[in-house]
Amino acid sequence: GNSVTQMEGPVTLSEEAFLTINCTYTATGYPSLFWYVQYPGEGLQLLLKATKADDKGSNKGFEATYRKETTSFHLEKGSVQVSDSAVYFCALSDLNGANNLFFGTGTRLTVIP
Amino acid sequence: DTAVSQTPKYLVTQMGNDKSIKCEQNLGHDTMYWYKQDSKKFLKIMFSYNNKELIINETVPNRFSPKSPDKAHLNLHINSLELGDSAVYFCASSDSGMNTGELFFGEGSRLTVL
Repeated sequence: GNSVTQMEGPVTLSEEAFLTINCTYTATGYPSLFWYVQYPGEGLQLLLKATKADDKGSNKGFEATYRKETTSFHLEKGSVQVSDSAVYFCALSDLNGANNLFFGTGTRLTVIP
Repeated sequence: DTAVSQTPKYLVTQMGNDKSIKCEQNLGHDTMYWYKQDSKKFLKIMFSYNNKELIINETVPNRFSPKSPDKAHLNLHINSLELGDSAVYFCASSDSGMNTGELFFGEGSRLTVL
């Protein structure tokens, strides 16, 4: 079956620190992989995505590379800001015509000045 | 213009009551979803409709009944509310023709059952 495992939070970092949030997946076939972000009091919004192996998704200084050999899609940012404080969700889509997303449990990031 | 809008944003009610949450999207998408987010932020799909037809129905009590009057609307009706129904409910939509797997979410409706 399809599932996503991401690192437990919460994560607290100082401004300008390096961020890694680990995500691994189990899937049949070749899923697309996503990172969604949920800012306080808001709905989820797409941060970045990758649709095939070795693709790198990037947005707002965040990056993640689709690694088929390690079934991973780790999220990284070189220098976090206070405004990056949010909950980050890794997800995969099985694309079997239903666009059904399987989410990880979410990782709360707090960046302190 | 809000792409996916849900009402109400907050709902506080007593156990045993019946309540509805409405969702509308103006993106022209043909697929809509309801997700439940519990207190630990875990997100789980409940239902998915494509062109008004139910395509995903996860293991959800039959007290939950989605209704899609047209492809721009997907409402969630909950009968006989229980304490465990307290959660944030997110509506989402997507374009199945794009087949990208990307969903667009509403801001959520926080339901508190007392």
